[in-house]
Amino acid sequence: AQTVTQSQPEMSVQEAETVTLSCTYDTSESDYYLFWYKQPPSRQMILVIRQEAYKQQNATENRFSVNFQKAAKSFSLKISDSQLGDAAMYFCAYRYRTGAGSYQLTFGKGTKLSVIP
Amino acid sequence: EPEVTQTPSHQVTQMGQEVILRCVPISNHLYFYWYRQILGQKVEFLVSFYNNEISEKSEIFDDQFSVERPDGSNFTLKIRSTKLEDSAMYFCASTRGTGYTFGSGTRLTVV
Repeated sequence: AQTVTQSQPEMSVQEAETVTLSCTYDTSESDYYLFWYKQPPSRQMILVIRQEAYKQQNATENRFSVNFQKAAKSFSLKISDSQLGDAAMYFCAYRYRTGAGSYQLTFGKGTKLSVIP
Repeated sequence: EPEVTQTPSHQVTQMGQEVILRCVPISNHLYFYWYRQILGQKVEFLVSFYNNEISEKSEIFDDQFSVERPDGSNFTLKIRSTKLEDSAMYFCASTRGTGYTFGSGTRLTVV
């Protein structure tokens, strides 16, 4: 079974500081995609960043970057210069191909990030 | 930027009633999904839909659930006889390949 583990239920960061959210996953595949989604109090799911497993270069989107360690099956999210609007639940997700040939996303349990003014 | 649209945003229903949750995926997307998130829990896969048929469904997606794409644009999730434990946020998502776009969700409350 494909599993995604987020070991930090809650994190906090001072405004303007940097925080890293961790994620590990279990897979026997070599080609897959990983995602970080942000869920603010409105509960909308917003894509933050995406990483393709065959790309060695870590993905970056403005203040958000990942540290993708394929051998360790680790996919952490770094938020630089944290802003109050970054406060949200963050979900790590893994896209895998099922036995039936379709693609599915499986999610971790999430990390609740608080930003302290 | 194209969006996935879900209606209603919030639905309250009596236990045992039928509800239909509606989604308009992004027009050139090919794969459609419903996910569920019970309050405080992780997002769970319900069903995937491709080429006008279900491609995969989870064990949650039992006989009380059904999906349809009645007119080539809308994508609906029907829950036939709602139970208290069906109270959750329901998300529709669509993709053309690797980028998944989620709708804003429908908060279903069963009383």
